[in-house]
Amino acid sequence: KQEVTQIPAALSVPEGENLVLNCSFTDSAIYNLQWFRQDPGKGLTSLLLIQSSQREQTSGRLNASLDKSSGRSTLYIAASQPGDSATYLCAATQNTGGFKTIFGAGTRLFVKA
Amino acid sequence: DVKVTQSSRYLVKRTGEKVFLECVQDMDHENMFWYRQDPGLGLRLIYFSYDVKMKEKGDIPEGYSVSREKKERFSLILESASTNQTSMYLCASFDSRSYNEQFFGPGTRLTVL
Repeated sequence: KQEVTQIPAALSVPEGENLVLNCSFTDSAIYNLQWFRQDPGKGLTSLLLIQSSQREQTSGRLNASLDKSSGRSTLYIAASQPGDSATYLCAATQNTGGFKTIFGAGTRLFVKA
Repeated sequence: DVKVTQSSRYLVKRTGEKVFLECVQDMDHENMFWYRQDPGLGLRLIYFSYDVKMKEKGDIPEGYSVSREKKERFSLILESASTNQTSMYLCASFDSRSYNEQFFGPGTRLTVL
């Protein structure tokens, strides 16, 4: 059964710092891996999606990498800003006769001005 | 842009009431999902549907049912609401034919008294 773990659970950094959020998954047979952002009381906003055949994706200050063999993905945020403060979730989707997604518990990020 | 909408942002119901939560997506996506999100437990899959009139149980289907009569609409039904169903409910959709990126609605915060 797929399990997705995110480390750290919470992170507080000063503005401008580069940071890395980690995600690990136990079953490497994934269809894709997706990173989301969630603001308090809101839904999830998709940040980056990496297909199983890809190694990384980039969008602005965000870069996500995927290493299926080691069961790991990282989200790199460059030059963090207070507006980046949110919870970041990673999610691994598998095709098991229907697509099923398992979410990590998230990393709660605080960026101090 | 893909849009996923949910019928209510906030809902308060009494124990024993029948509750309908509706989700509509406007991009002809095949796959639709209902999750609940609780502090400390993360997102858990209740039901998913990969086609009209098709449904599959997720990890926590007890106490819930679903309906998908039209491709764009996926309804979650609480047959007899209970206090332990107080939660944030999130709907999502994606199209396996292109990019497989999941898009989420804004969520419905349901309180059962």
